[in-house]
Amino acid sequence: GAVVSQHPSWVICKSGTSVKIECRSLDFQATTMFWYRQFPKQSLMLMATSNEGSKATYEQGVEKDKFLINHASLTLSTLTVTSAHPEDSSFYICSAMTGSDKNIQYFGAGTRLSVL
Amino acid sequence: EDQVTQSPEALRLQEGESSSLNCSYTVSGLRGLFWYRQDPGKGPEFLFTLYSAGEEKEKERLKATLTKKESFLHITAPKPEDSATYLCAVQGNYGQNFVFGPGTRLSVLP
Repeated sequence: GAVVSQHPSWVICKSGTSVKIECRSLDFQATTMFWYRQFPKQSLMLMATSNEGSKATYEQGVEKDKFLINHASLTLSTLTVTSAHPEDSSFYICSAMTGSDKNIQYFGAGTRLSVL
Repeated sequence: EDQVTQSPEALRLQEGESSSLNCSYTVSGLRGLFWYRQDPGKGPEFLFTLYSAGEEKEKERLKATLTKKESFLHITAPKPEDSATYLCAVQGNYGQNFVFGPGTRLSVLP
C-alpha cells in the first residue's frame, strides 16, 4: 500500500513559538493532502485540504493565519502552527490521496504537539 | 449535510467471540465508504473501500458490507491484536472530503 511519512512524531515547544510538521508521500504522487486534528477519544476533525500548487482550503472555524499550510510539491505538504499556545496542543494527522487509487486516503502516523 | 454515526461506542469481546460494528450514514450521493483501523497514538490504517450497496470486502478476520444506509464490519473469531478503534468515513459526490464517524473502540480479551 501507499506510504505516508509524517515528521516529527512528537514535539514540545514553548508558548509563542512556531512549529512545522511535514507530511510526505513516499511512493506515490499526492495530488491532494489533508490535515486533521484529533482530540483524545474523539474522531478526526478536518482542518484543511491542500492541493499541490494552490492555496489550501480551510474548514470553517480554522484560522488560516495560525495554521499555515504549504503544498509545494506532489510529495510534500507542511503545516506550520504559528505562535503556538497551550490550547493548540493536540494530535495532528495528515493524509494523502492519489488521483488513481479510487480516492483512498492514506494517513501518516501523526504528530503529538505539546505547547508549554 | 453528510453525517456518519457508529455503534457501539465501545465493545469488549472475548477472544474468538464474533461480532459486528455498525456505521450508519447520510450523504448526498455516495462516492465511497471507507473503513480504517486506528491504534492509540497512531494514524488510521486503511482497511476497505465500498462503493455500492451489496458490495462486500474481506480481509483475514474482517468482512465489510454495505447497504444504502449503513455498513457493517464483521469480525470473526477476533484475537487480542484486533483491539483498536475502527473508524468509518464517507465521501459524497460533491467534494473530495471525507466525513468520519466517531469510531468504535474494540477490546478483545485473551
